[in-house]
Amino acid sequence: DTGVSQDPRHKITKRGQNVTFRCDPISEHNRLYWYRQTLGQGPEFLTYFQNEAQLEKSRLLSDRFSAERPKGSFSTLEIQRTEQGDSAMYLCASSSPGTGGFPNEKLFFGSGTQLSVL
Amino acid sequence: AQSVTQPDIHITVSEGASLELRCNYSYGATPYLFWYVQSPGQGLQLLLKYFSGDTLVQGIKGFEAEFKRSQSSFNLRKPSVHWSDAAEYFCAVGSASGSARQLTFGSGTQLTVLP
Repeated sequence: DTGVSQDPRHKITKRGQNVTFRCDPISEHNRLYWYRQTLGQGPEFLTYFQNEAQLEKSRLLSDRFSAERPKGSFSTLEIQRTEQGDSAMYLCASSSPGTGGFPNEKLFFGSGTQLSVL
Repeated sequence: AQSVTQPDIHITVSEGASLELRCNYSYGATPYLFWYVQSPGQGLQLLLKYFSGDTLVQGIKGFEAEFKRSQSSFNLRKPSVHWSDAAEYFCAVGSASGSARQLTFGSGTQLTVLP
């Protein structure tokens, strides 16, 4: 257990429905990342928060995706009007500036939320 | 653009045998290279990383990797595999001017360990 928790572990939804995932990072970590991992592929960066500010979004993050991190603590990732292509594992990771800047920054990953869109 | 290739989708070894997982990268300058492991139901865990100095780096769980610039490779090795090493392994590359959000991961190698 890395200390990063994600909820739910699995989500099955019908095409067109909205879904929301939650990530609780390690409490003292101010950086939070979302990645997407499709079957047979490595993780792909989606978005990044430092405290409550969303500082970067990948072009993979279409306008149906929105992420928030109110108060710089937990984060939510919402997908509106889900499509079958959204089926993937959504991973959250957090890090602390105390671990240094890249490449010394140490990411702690959660176990992910597996989304299946029928 | 940076990229990572892991040529082996699936590798099977017997417990106690040696292991080498291949990773080739494409990047114009000196890359930052990483190996992560993902066990079923678990998040990714960093095994080791290279960004300068000695080209042979030691990591956790008895793993090591060697950076070979001439071959654009960063292969992961372990002299004697344990059953608990069965997992998926990802190689990743980052840029010197980048950050963790710019890591590019390979597609992974699934390791099966036979008793």
